[in-house]
Amino acid sequence: GQQVMQIPQYQHVQEGEDFTTYCNSSTTLSNIQWYKQRPGGHPVFLIQLVKSGEVKKQKRLTFQFGEAKKNSSLHITATQTTDVGTYFCAVGGEYGNKLVFGAGTILRVKS
Amino acid sequence: EPEVTQTPSHQVTQMGQEVILRCVPISNHLYFYWYRQILGQKVEFLVSFYNNEISEKSEIFDDQFSVERPDGSNFTLKIRSTKLEDSAMYFCASSLLTGGDEKLFFGSGTQLSVL
Repeated sequence: GQQVMQIPQYQHVQEGEDFTTYCNSSTTLSNIQWYKQRPGGHPVFLIQLVKSGEVKKQKRLTFQFGEAKKNSSLHITATQTTDVGTYFCAVGGEYGNKLVFGAGTILRVKS
Repeated sequence: EPEVTQTPSHQVTQMGQEVILRCVPISNHLYFYWYRQILGQKVEFLVSFYNNEISEKSEIFDDQFSVERPDGSNFTLKIRSTKLEDSAMYFCASSLLTGGDEKLFFGSGTQLSVL
């Protein structure tokens, strides 16, 4: 079935530093979604990328979808303590009836 | 913003007992899902439900599990005979269109502890 590899597993940064998480698939994706889960919380949708080479921004967050639609990244500029949580990428399953989540990247921010 | 609601927030049960986890999806959504997350691990798909039937299920969703939409608003997950390894956070989610193409709205989860 559809799978996506996500790295790194964990990142601990100083407040103000940048952060990036990457997702890679062996197959071409129709789209990719990103979610954030705060500690003790539930996954919350951030964005969906559909087009090859697409770049979208949400304030300090920049999302990219690769030209081949096999990889994606989430970059946070100048992290803040409010950015703490786990960031997941998610892709549609083979039959389109589910969303398959990557393993997630845990972000910790030292103030 | 509309919300998915789940009850209870915590459930403690003895091994071998049956549990029912309840969810109220967003009212105009058509697709419903159960996911689970063992502490510190990834969010794992269990089952998707559309038009009053299961549309896809994972290997985790064996004969001990069942889902039901008993009325126009509730969506339930039943575990018939709980095992220790069923201890996890269970998230209900819903979407307007099929989950592969549409964002999911998650509930706050039910933390299930099997003793």
